[in-house]
Amino acid sequence: EDQVTQSPEALRLQEGESSSLNCSYTVSGLRGLFWYRQDPGKGPEFLFTLYSAGEEKEKERLKATLTKKESFLHITAPKPEDSATYLCAVRVRTSGTYKYIFGTGTRLKVLA
Amino acid sequence: NAGVMQNPRHLVRRRGQEARLRCSPMKGHSHVYWYRQLPEEGLKFMVYLQKENIIDESGMPKERFSAEFPKEGPSILRIQQVVRGDSAAYFCASSRNPGVADTQYFGPGTRLTVL
Repeated sequence: EDQVTQSPEALRLQEGESSSLNCSYTVSGLRGLFWYRQDPGKGPEFLFTLYSAGEEKEKERLKATLTKKESFLHITAPKPEDSATYLCAVRVRTSGTYKYIFGTGTRLKVLA
Repeated sequence: NAGVMQNPRHLVRRRGQEARLRCSPMKGHSHVYWYRQLPEEGLKFMVYLQKENIIDESGMPKERFSAEFPKEGPSILRIQQVVRGDSAAYFCASSRNPGVADTQYFGPGTRLTVL
């Protein structure tokens, strides 16, 4: 069964303390891995799409990487405004169409 | 360039009433997905629609739930005879063409509370 697991569930960092969030997946027929940021009471905001192992994408303090089994979201020198839930999703090809499977997210809190 | 729009943002219903949630996709997008999110949980896929077609409804309960995306107008997720367990945030996402490299963009959600 296709599955996406994110770890840790929650993470508290001091401002400036770099860290990484993990998204591991077991799927057949990966057609993209997506990272989203979700603030309380809002919809997920798109961050990155990765398609093949070895690919990397960067945006400000965030950098996403992809291997054949997992993806990492690296946060360099985080600020309090980076506090949010970060969601990972995979798109798989199934029964002639595409399906998106989401992990349960990592709740990040950055303390000033 | 307007993003995905959902209304209402908050909806309160009593048990047994009907809930209608609306979603207007981004301009140029013809694919709509509905998800449900419970507190502290991830997004659970419900249904995937194109204009006038349901492509995949494997995540939607067989009873009381239905969805449509007419040729004109927004996509609608309808929940009949709501129960307390239906209380959740419902998100709509749209994409341009899942057949190629594609990305889903989400709306702000509708928060349904069943009393």
